[in-house]
Amino acid sequence: DTGVSQDPRHKITKRGQNVTFRCDPISEHNRLYWYRQTLGQGPEFLTYFQNEAQLEKSRLLSDRFSAERPKGSFSTLEIQRTEQGDSAMYLCASSFQPTEAFFGQGTRLTVV
Amino acid sequence: QKEVEQNSGPLSVPEGAIASLNCTYSDRVSQSFFWYRQYSGKSPELIMSIYSNGDKEDGRFTAQLNKASQYVSLLIRDSQPSDSATYLCAVTTGNTPLVFGKGTRLSVIA
Repeated sequence: DTGVSQDPRHKITKRGQNVTFRCDPISEHNRLYWYRQTLGQGPEFLTYFQNEAQLEKSRLLSDRFSAERPKGSFSTLEIQRTEQGDSAMYLCASSFQPTEAFFGQGTRLTVV
Repeated sequence: QKEVEQNSGPLSVPEGAIASLNCTYSDRVSQSFFWYRQYSGKSPELIMSIYSNGDKEDGRFTAQLNKASQYVSLLIRDSQPSDSATYLCAVTTGNTPLVFGKGTRLSVIA
């Protein structure tokens, strides 16, 4: 399978715990995006990388969120001290330059 | 604030009919436009991209773009129950990440 891969698919965590998600993009894609989606809403932009450089972060992204893309390959998104409002689907997408972006299956986070 | 507006629906059409989905955007320098299909509980799937004014056809799907009116639409011909999903419109200037609308829920009635 050469598509975008995300792990885990589902995560249930207690409020206050830290969680980390991983995304493996399509191999030849240099751009990697993180989005968050809640029920009834479109995907909301969080941050994106071009190769290993983090080019933009949403102003909505609190300091509890951090993302990395070491060596321009896979990326991780960490949420520290999770809150119930962080419950959402976290989507990763990749593209080659600013062309069509393809999404992974997403990680569904539930904070209890 | 860059915005992409879609009618949330639901849009109900009978099987075999044409479904018409609409989207407007606020950023005049937008260059690239995409339609994604999203089934309930799944991630968005790219179905169409369009970059220049006019129509682009791919099978039963036709995307239409009018940059002067800041309007993009998706037509689905011969709608099937399997087309029932939420359709997301996404827009970018090319140097910015995709901005998504909230999506239009389509229901095709057999």
